[in-house]
Amino acid sequence: EIVLTQSPATLSLSPGERATLSCRASQSVTSYLAWFQHKPGQAPRLLIYDASNRATGIPARFSGSGSGTDFTLTISSLEPEDFAVYYCQQRTSWPLTFGGGTKVEIK
Amino acid sequence: EVQVLESGGGLVQPGGSLRLSCAASGFTFSSSAMTWVRQAPGKGLEWVSSISASATTTYYADSVKGRFTISRDNSKNTLYLQMNSLRAEDTAVYYCAKGGRGDYFNYWGQGTLVTVSS
Repeated sequence: EIVLTQSPATLSLSPGERATLSCRASQSVTSYLAWFQHKPGQAPRLLIYDASNRATGIPARFSGSGSGTDFTLTISSLEPEDFAVYYCQQRTSWPLTFGGGTKVEIK
Repeated sequence: EVQVLESGGGLVQPGGSLRLSCAASGFTFSSSAMTWVRQAPGKGLEWVSSISASATTTYYADSVKGRFTISRDNSKNTLYLQMNSLRAEDTAVYYCAKGGRGDYFNYWGQGTLVTVSS
């Protein structure tokens, strides 16, 4: 099983600041990695697929990078609606796995 | 417009059974792998099970293997999850998502809550 480790667990930032979230895989997932945003009471939303491609309708302030085992999600300038929990997920092999999540909270 | 709507959650006693349904529209359901993902209270997202578009292949997390069965009816655009021998640790919001290993989960439902408690 591929284990995805996200860091930090919590990120306390102010609107307008830059957020940098990390996801590390226990073995290579090549570029088969996605990032999701999840808010309480809502469906998770796909932000980034194949490590660096923005999904349909996702603002340009969200960007993804990395390959192999180390990945980063960057939010260039936080908007009020960006405060949420973010998960990475791999589809390289079964079982499909998610990281433990990073909560981006308002400082 | 794509819509994914789960139903069937509720309160069930340990050892009991429940069947979840997921009605999909707005995309070619019969060409899409489908997946169930859950989130236990205060925890992160956990993949539960996936099924291929033609229903010929199914996959399960070890935590539910032998107790849960995923299925689909392409004539009704509906995905199912039959959950037997339920345990307290199965308590979670269960989400239905379009996608599997061959693609990403680009559409999700709002989730249905399953509570296993006596």
